[in-house]
Amino acid sequence: KNEVEQSPQNLTAQEGEFITINCSYSVGISALHWLQQHPGGGIVSLFMLSSGKKKHGRLIATINIQEKHSSLHITASHPRDSAVYICAVGSYMEYGNKLVFGAGTILRVKS
Amino acid sequence: ETGVTQTPRHLVMGMTNKKSLKCEQHLGHNAMYWYKQSAKKPLELMFVYSLEERVENNSVPSRFSPECPNSSHLFLHLHTLQPEDSALYLCASSQMTGLDTGELFFGEGSRLTVL
Repeated sequence: KNEVEQSPQNLTAQEGEFITINCSYSVGISALHWLQQHPGGGIVSLFMLSSGKKKHGRLIATINIQEKHSSLHITASHPRDSAVYICAVGSYMEYGNKLVFGAGTILRVKS
Repeated sequence: ETGVTQTPRHLVMGMTNKKSLKCEQHLGHNAMYWYKQSAKKPLELMFVYSLEERVENNSVPSRFSPECPNSSHLFLHLHTLQPEDSALYLCASSQMTGLDTGELFFGEGSRLTVL
């Protein structure tokens, strides 16, 4: 079993729909990251959170430490939101910290 | 200047060639990373440099050789690669603390094809 599991693996939505992507993890973490990767490869950090909830524009990320679960929500989805969304958790190492990545969720928003 | 710049964006090389990937960060971060992304697989951490000292070498074959001459520059030297090494190689930087990696800032990646 992977240390970081994302669901769904693939998601197709209609423009305007509310979207939820889930991330479950099995290791102790210092923080959880949500990343966005567009075709062509570049990755952008969306959120880094260790408790509660964060909001940026139409994106909302929540984390439940007790349940080891996080969700990324996109409100009023748009075709430009089409990308791969990656969950990563920071786990403790002797030198500090490293990230463990989920496999990603491929999102396609149709107009 | 963009935060993290990688060159070249695309590289095709034969198995006997020697080439290098370059990464430069303009964010004043204290940590730099090399990641490998193969098709349909999660990002794999290859190397981490913190304050120019290598702190993680994630069982990477010796045909990949990293170099971090200063806190702003990171190289990945490639020699006698195999076709299965074809992948997207991503550089990232962050302000690492004792508690966590900090937010990662990625370059656009270098798409490597080994013939």
